[in-house]
Amino acid sequence: GNSVTQMEGPVTLSEEAFLTINCTYTATGYPSLFWYVQYPGEGLQLLLKATKADDKGSNKGFEATYRKETTSFHLEKGSVQVSDSAVYFCALIRGGSEKLVFGKGMKLTVNP
Amino acid sequence: NAGVTQTPKFQVLKTGQSMTLQCAQDMNHEYMSWYRQDPGMGLRLIHYSVGAGITDQGEVPNGYNVSRSTTEDFPLRLLSAAPSQTSVYFCASSYIRTGGGNTIYFGEGSWLTVV
Repeated sequence: GNSVTQMEGPVTLSEEAFLTINCTYTATGYPSLFWYVQYPGEGLQLLLKATKADDKGSNKGFEATYRKETTSFHLEKGSVQVSDSAVYFCALIRGGSEKLVFGKGMKLTVNP
Repeated sequence: NAGVTQTPKFQVLKTGQSMTLQCAQDMNHEYMSWYRQDPGMGLRLIHYSVGAGITDQGEVPNGYNVSRSTTEDFPLRLLSAAPSQTSVYFCASSYIRTGGGNTIYFGEGSWLTVV
């Protein structure tokens, strides 16, 4: 079946540290891949996405590259800020479906 | 710019009570869905709909009913609330397009506590 495995955390970093959140997937066909972010007390927002192999999604200084050979979509940011404190979810949609399959989420806290 | 609107945002229920979580979208999206979010579990699909009059079960449908009488609305009903249904509920919608990659829009969530 389709599944997403991601780092679960929680993770605490200092401001300006480098961030990597690992995400790997199992899926039939060619899924689209997503990172969603949930700030404290809020709903989910799409952070970035990639729809085919070698695509790079980017937004707000975050990047992730769709790696078909390693079935991965790791999220990176070179210098985190306190405002990046949130829960991050990796997710996929299998081709031909609209159903999102989520990882378990990772809580990030960034301290000044 | 309403997007996906969920009500109520917070609700406390007693075991056995019934209630309806409302969801409305103003983007003319064909696809609508309900997820629940639990600690350490990520988000799990409860029910979904690909258009008015069409609904289907997701991963965790037990204890919930849905209907889709219009394109805009997709209410989620808890018939007899149980403490196991304490969770955060998210409604989501999107267009249906071949090739995938559609952006799915989420509501702000409904925090439900069953005591």
